Order: sequence, then structure tokens, then C-alpha cells
Amino acid sequence: QSVMTQPPSASGTPGQRVTISCSGSRSNIGSNFVYWYQQLPGTAPKLLIYRNNQRPSGVPDRFSGSKSGTSASLAISGLRSEDEADYYCAAWDGGLSGPVFGGGTKLTVL
Amino acid sequence: QVQLQESGPGLVKPSETLTLTCTVSGGSISSNYWSWIRQPPGKGLEWIGYIYYSGSTNYNPSLKSRVTISGDTSKNQFSLRLSSVTAADTAVYYCARVMITFGGIIGFGMDVWGQGTTVTVSS
Repeated sequence: QSVMTQPPSASGTPGQRVTISCSGSRSNIGSNFVYWYQQLPGTAPKLLIYRNNQRPSGVPDRFSGSKSGTSASLAISGLRSEDEADYYCAAWDGGLSGPVFGGGTKLTVL
Repeated sequence: QVQLQESGPGLVKPSETLTLTCTVSGGSISSNYWSWIRQPPGKGLEWIGYIYYSGSTNYNPSLKSRVTISGDTSKNQFSLRLSSVTAADTAVYYCARVMITFGGIIGFGMDVWGQGTTVTVSS
């Protein structure tokens, strides 16, 4: 069981906006930066969002991150078929003294 | 452009020690933190531990008694040793470069990943 909770699945149609939530606690999301990773089928994870809402170079601005209290969200606008992937949130956990991941959300583009 | 490549045996017998190496190219390990992460089949990501080039390490408490991460600056590599493996250690193992921020707000993100290597624990 993951320290941070994500919905196991999400879906949307092309062009739609979808949001993936990540619920944590004061020891992780509540006091540290949140990161989001995208894992396309059969590939390594890729950093999508860092420090809550920053995009690495090359990540489209269709992807955005936000954080409020002990929860965080990843929003994908203008959904495309190539966005079909698993998405993971992560944050440093002060209790663990290390990073923790959410359980992951499988996004399906209908 | 920094690239990472994992290497090591794909099959390890139960109770033996799993050893993997991550070779860093396009950059030096003497300037960052480096981490190992694993993903059991069909499951999510699990952080194993990290090393700073100076040799300081930090491990996931759930694996701490069995894990050792070490670095070799002369070869620009860092390695993972996991002892007393069982079938539960079967996973894809990734190495990654860490962007870390210590202070009032801690940031720990992995911005460059290796392609991963599959390790199966079986007799």
C-alpha cells in the first residue's frame, strides 16, 4: 500500500481535460515539493513536473501541476492518444527520510 | 546529454546477492546524487536508495538491511547490491540522476533515467 494515494485509473477523450489527484500527508506533500512522472508502456519513467508546477524543457504546456495542502494534482489539457500512460506522483517524506511514490494512475484515452 | 545504462545478470537465484551497475555517460557522477528505483511486474515504483559522489548514502528503510549502493568515480559508475533475494525482488531495476534540494522544503526528483534492466529471482 502506497504512502500517497492516486486513483488507479482515469480516462478521457481526445481534446478533453483530465485531472489526476495525489493525496498524501503533512510529512510528504504537505511539507515538500511534488513531482510527477509519465511512464509510457514498456519504457522508463520520464519526469513530467518538478517542484509542484515546473515543467522540464520539452514537456508541453498541456501538462500542469498544482498543490494544495496535503494534496496535489496533475492536469492534462487537449488530451492526445500519445498521453495514454501510467502517471506517478512523488515527494520526499520526512518520516521515511526518503522519497515516496503514489501507486500510479493508468490514463486511457478513449 | 547525460545518459544512464544499467547492466547485470537478468537471473539471480534465491538467497543470493543481486548486483547491478549503472554507467553514466555524457556527465560526471562527481556532481550529483544518484538513485536506484525498482518496479515489480505490473506494480508501481519503489525507491531503493541513493548515493552522493562523496559516498554518503540513504536507503529505503524496508530494504536497508539488505542494500548497499556504492560509487566508482574512476569508472563513472555506481552500483547496487541487494542480498538474500527472494521472488519478491523480481522487478525492473532503474538507475536515475537526482535533482535534490535540501532545506525548509525538500525536493527530490529524478530527471534522467536509465532504460531499466529486468531481474528475475528464480532457481
